[in-house]
Amino acid sequence: EPEVTQTPSHQVTQMGQEVILRCVPISNHLYFYWYRQILGQKVEFLVSFYNNEISEKSEIFDDQFSVERPDGSNFTLKIRSTKLEDSAMYFCASREQSSYNSPLHFGNGTRLTVT
Amino acid sequence: RKEVEQDPGPFNVPEGATVAFNCTYSNSASQSFFWYRQDCRKEPKLLMSVYSSGNEDGRFTAQLNRASQYISLLIRDSKLSDSATYLCVVNMGNRDDKIIFGKGTRLHILP
Repeated sequence: EPEVTQTPSHQVTQMGQEVILRCVPISNHLYFYWYRQILGQKVEFLVSFYNNEISEKSEIFDDQFSVERPDGSNFTLKIRSTKLEDSAMYFCASREQSSYNSPLHFGNGTRLTVT
Repeated sequence: RKEVEQDPGPFNVPEGATVAFNCTYSNSASQSFFWYRQDCRKEPKLLMSVYSSGNEDGRFTAQLNRASQYISLLIRDSKLSDSATYLCVVNMGNRDDKIIFGKGTRLHILP
């Protein structure tokens, strides 16, 4: 069964550094998402991406964050000037099409630790 | 009203019991509804989509009440393996692309 893959599984970075989290969505999927989950808290929507542009973004997704689909397979989340509070699990997800019952498929996540 | 609100947990129920989860959502125009489960430190996994007429998948039954903006999940004959956090998920966007999770309800099935 096709799956969403994320790399790395764990990223440790120093405060103030930039990180890029990588995702390969399922190949025939058209919609891509990033979510964040701080330990013990809810899964928070960051951004959705369709047709090479951002569709929706949350209040969390400020100028510190950016997304890109640099080629036909990868979907990346860049976090500039990381802060301690950016430490979280970051999940990438994709979905096939915009029909009302098309569910999200998640990757295993990248655990980001900012020290 | 919060975008997606769920019962606070945790629920501790004996094996074999029936357990029900409730969820309300704020956007009356929402069209897509799902239940996901999440095991500790793992990614959310789709349990079932929720259809307007209600739907069943084995021991699991989902219901949607659009008038009340309310979704439910019923688990019958609960198993130890059902222990997880259950997440209510609603598409809040105008173009099906702002999919919001509730805080989740933790379920512990007791032997």
